[in-house]
Amino acid sequence: NAGVMQNPRHLVRRRGQEARLRCSPMKGHSHVYWYRQLPEEGLKFMVYLQKENIIDESGMPKERFSAEFPKEGPSILRIQQVVRGDSAAYFCASSPEAGGRNEQFFGPGTRLTVL
Amino acid sequence: AQSVTQLDSQVPVFEEAPVELRCNYSSSVSVYLFWYVQYPNQGLQLLLKYLSGSTLVKGINGFEAEFNKSQTSFHLRKPSVHISDTAEYFCAVSDLVGNEKLTFGTGTRLTIIP
Repeated sequence: NAGVMQNPRHLVRRRGQEARLRCSPMKGHSHVYWYRQLPEEGLKFMVYLQKENIIDESGMPKERFSAEFPKEGPSILRIQQVVRGDSAAYFCASSPEAGGRNEQFFGPGTRLTVL
Repeated sequence: AQSVTQLDSQVPVFEEAPVELRCNYSSSVSVYLFWYVQYPNQGLQLLLKYLSGSTLVKGINGFEAEFNKSQTSFHLRKPSVHISDTAEYFCAVSDLVGNEKLTFGTGTRLTIIP
């Protein structure tokens, strides 16, 4: 059973470009979470999605950021008009069920660098 | 709102010595508690978790943690560390009811000295 897959692993964008980060959850998992890790900091929750639904987006910046988890295909975190402050590692996690007691399985992350 | 405090940002320890990584949390509701490990350039891997029951929890790689409700702590311990334990360690909490998101501490970088 393959783990959580994220691609690309490294992404370089110039200011003003768009960044698209993909996450394929573990097989059988329908709950996806995105976290952002800024340099020298812990992970901060961004958004929680189930198939075709955004459940909790309380950690998402109000502008330029969006996320989706379509019925088919990976979850996508999209950052429009990137700025230097968006440079960070973005981690996706998945779990088989809802509920805080369930382990979240993390992917290897996408390291975004904005020039 | 919840918060997690890891007071020690870096902990150097000699190989085969014991180690304790501290974690304190603050929450208005009961929580589940987790320790994750992050090796360089990798994602996070669950070491152990406390959901209920015995306050002493054993995890992978010889680690254990003890939940102390009165002190709102969940310190991680290992009696004898190995070079391969060099990594970043994160303490995290989640709500018992709803709100599946994890709230993380800022991490402790454990460095093992040969």
